[in-house]
Amino acid sequence: SQQGEEDPQALSIQEGENATMNCSYKTSINNLQWYRQNSGRGLVHLILIRSNEREKHSGRLRVTLDTSKKSSSLLITASRAADTASYFCATDAGGSEKLVFGKGTKLTVNP
Amino acid sequence: DTAVSQTPKYLVTQMGNDKSIKCEQNLGHDTMYWYKQDSKKFLKIMFSYNNKELIINETVPNRFSPKSPDKAHLNLHINSLELGDSAVYFCASSQDRALGEQYFGPGTRLTVT
Repeated sequence: SQQGEEDPQALSIQEGENATMNCSYKTSINNLQWYRQNSGRGLVHLILIRSNEREKHSGRLRVTLDTSKKSSSLLITASRAADTASYFCATDAGGSEKLVFGKGTKLTVNP
Repeated sequence: DTAVSQTPKYLVTQMGNDKSIKCEQNLGHDTMYWYKQDSKKFLKIMFSYNNKELIINETVPNRFSPKSPDKAHLNLHINSLELGDSAVYFCASSQDRALGEQYFGPGTRLTVT
């Protein structure tokens, strides 16, 4: 069964605005990861946050994790047209040996 | 220098045929994966190998057979292709089986007609 679910399914913003995507999951996790997928390409790892971390930054990306609510958010600040892509969260589903991906959020950044 | 490569990028074939997809990683990773992404972009693990040993075999029809000749290569052979096999197949690798960062190949778009 699906572990992570992203929200919203689609998001359209103007260049320069911030984009926030959310991910909810069902079982306990060791870590949660965010990936980006440009159209027609493979997934690219963005950031990994461990279950004992609450917030992590990487450039214009900020990820938060609330294990009590079983949710995470990805914030992209000062978005650019090049950020247009689908964004997926993935969890290890509490010690299983596989990553389980959500359905993704499709982000469109309009120039 | 491509980290994870797959061939072919596109594969169009008829129902009933047998086809193979090849994957190679030059990252020195121990663990490799095959994922299937359907038309709704849902990505699901199919198989995982660690140092040539099969560690994950999801509920996949036995028409799908992975093979890892060495830890840098993971191939996927599909027998008796069906319409429902049409999807994008991604190979990925990670340093070890601890489920850290995974590196994905560019994908193989399989279309079964």
